[in-house]
Amino acid sequence: GEDVEQSLFLSVREGDSSVINCTYTDSSSTYLYWYKQEPGAGLQLLTYIFSNMDMKQDQRLTVLLNKKDKHLSLRIADTQTGDSAIYFCAERDDKIIFGKGTRLHILP
Amino acid sequence: GAVVSQHPSWVICKSGTSVKIECRSLDFQATTMFWYRQFPKQSLMLMATSNEGSKATYEQGVEKDKFLINHASLTLSTLTVTSAHPEDSSFYICRPDRGGTEAFFGQGTRLTVV
Repeated sequence: GEDVEQSLFLSVREGDSSVINCTYTDSSSTYLYWYKQEPGAGLQLLTYIFSNMDMKQDQRLTVLLNKKDKHLSLRIADTQTGDSAIYFCAERDDKIIFGKGTRLHILP
Repeated sequence: GAVVSQHPSWVICKSGTSVKIECRSLDFQATTMFWYRQFPKQSLMLMATSNEGSKATYEQGVEKDKFLINHASLTLSTLTVTSAHPEDSSFYICRPDRGGTEAFFGQGTRLTVV
């Protein structure tokens, strides 16, 4: 079945860039998403990318997609304390399948 | 983005009672509703998919008689957890689907069964 994998933790110094990586198995994915979840809160859609795109940039966020390797990454430039959260990668064919989430910790 | 309202945001109930969670799409019509649950420090797992006016389709391992889904209108779906037990304590999240690219979720309902 479909599977989405992400590393569980990432620590980054404030002001540096954060790069969160994700791999998926479903070659028929049409869209790939990044969501942010703060403690006790729901999911906030950060950005998404079509499967026929390589890159998408939206302000501090850059998404890179390597469809051949089924690898997706989210880069957050100039990481701030407010970026501390869990980031979920998700792939969509007919359903949306989520990774386990990467907890981003910001060091002062 | 689309506005999705999920209610209540949290609920505590006694073991053996039933709890109803509502999900409303406020500014669009949702032909399909997805319900997820998230256990602590886990990912979101799809529980069921429902189309307006039809019976829901449940994922493997999800008891349809325990998690009753009603999708009677294009703007409202409800999930009822029947005869709740402590192991049903979880974070339940809905996603009304309008067929577009973006996928928006409700704010989630934290259910605690005591």
